[in-house]
Amino acid sequence: LAKTTQPISMDSYEGQEVNITCSHNNIATNDYITWYQQFPSQGPRFIIQGYKTKVTNEVASLFIPADRKSSTLSLPRVSLSDTAVYYCLVGPRILTGGGNKLTFGTGTQLKVEL
Amino acid sequence: GAGVSQSPRYKVAKRGQDVALRCDPISGHVSLFWYQQALGQGPEFLTYFQNEAQLDKSGLPSDRFFAERPEGSVSTLKIQRTQQEDSAVYLCASSSPFGQGAFDTGELFFGEGSRLTVL
Repeated sequence: LAKTTQPISMDSYEGQEVNITCSHNNIATNDYITWYQQFPSQGPRFIIQGYKTKVTNEVASLFIPADRKSSTLSLPRVSLSDTAVYYCLVGPRILTGGGNKLTFGTGTQLKVEL
Repeated sequence: GAGVSQSPRYKVAKRGQDVALRCDPISGHVSLFWYQQALGQGPEFLTYFQNEAQLDKSGLPSDRFFAERPEGSVSTLKIQRTQQEDSAVYLCASSSPFGQGAFDTGELFFGEGSRLTVL
């Protein structure tokens, strides 16, 4: 499975846009890019998923360039409640077992201040 | 229930004791995963079930760890002769039915985890 690299931490202020970039140089043709958010003492929560170009939902946007070797999670107008760890995962959309496991890595700790 | 339920939320065990952690996945979810999360680290894959079949157990750290899902719904992760290095949060996740369709993202729905502390 593709290895991902993302910044260990980022700081921002309320109301700003935050962009977290993830590198995945050896992404495979059938791999999707998925982002999860995790608050302390909770399990990770799905944010967004994409394959190419741009995907937007009610909480975030995901930008994926044509070569798909990186992706950027964009959080518009963050608030204190967006302080969390964000994980970038790369892998097949539907797991078929036999080693198709999703790897979380260490994630990016986002801290939002007033 | 509405989400993935795990019990107990907190477990303190003496070194050498056996522990059992339970996971109730979302009803109808075929896939079930166990992850181990050490303090300050991301979740690490332990094992994966599709219905009652354990398709991947490559992440289990030793033969002291055993997982089962006998009827394809509730799963139990058992750790025998616990050691201090087993202290971690154990997360369970379930996923929507396999091959549901083109719009199935394979999203993992996680429980809140079981925090195990081995003294």
